[in-house]
Amino acid sequence: GENVEQHPSTLSVQEGDSAVIKCTYSDSASNYFPWYKQELGKRPQLIIDIRSNVGEKKDQRIAVTLNKTAKHFSLHITETQPEDSAVYFCAASKGNTPLVFGKGTRLSVIA
Amino acid sequence: DTAVSQTPKYLVTQMGNDKSIKCEQNLGHDTMYWYKQDSKKFLKIMFSYNNKELIINETVPNRFSPKSPDKAHLNLHINSLELGDSAVYFCASSLNQGVGEAFFGQGTRLTVV
Repeated sequence: GENVEQHPSTLSVQEGDSAVIKCTYSDSASNYFPWYKQELGKRPQLIIDIRSNVGEKKDQRIAVTLNKTAKHFSLHITETQPEDSAVYFCAASKGNTPLVFGKGTRLSVIA
Repeated sequence: DTAVSQTPKYLVTQMGNDKSIKCEQNLGHDTMYWYKQDSKKFLKIMFSYNNKELIINETVPNRFSPKSPDKAHLNLHINSLELGDSAVYFCASSLNQGVGEAFFGQGTRLTVV
């Protein structure tokens, strides 16, 4: 089955700096790659997603890039703010299977 | 008008007991899931239900059994609870299996003492 690796497990950045989280997946048939943000004590919520027919997608300060050949995708957060502090999860699916999540990255934005 | 709701939010119980967690979605989605989040925050799929049929049953002990009375509900029954079952359990739903956004419930924190 699908295996998703996520790095780093923890990330600390100064407010205003950029943060990058990287994931790799094992199943070349996977075609949907969402990113979820989970604040302390809350449910995971989708922040951005990308499908395999697109290489990059941007939504304000958040962007995701996908390299199908290398089977990796990344989350980029620019101009980080304290409210960006949370655990971020990448995931992958090939459309007929549940999302398989990475192990999460705890992002701390230091004011 | 919560999209995915699960109850209870907290559940404290003794080893050996049997308990249930309920989940309901009002999004008209075809697929519902149960995920387990352990103390290290790892989200692991337990079950997936599509149109009332079990699609995937991961390597979960048979003490755990999902029950879906209809498309909008997926309840989780746990028999003979063990200390290692302590975790946060999330219900989720999506339009179809693995397609599009998965909406999560607020989670149930299960503590077995």
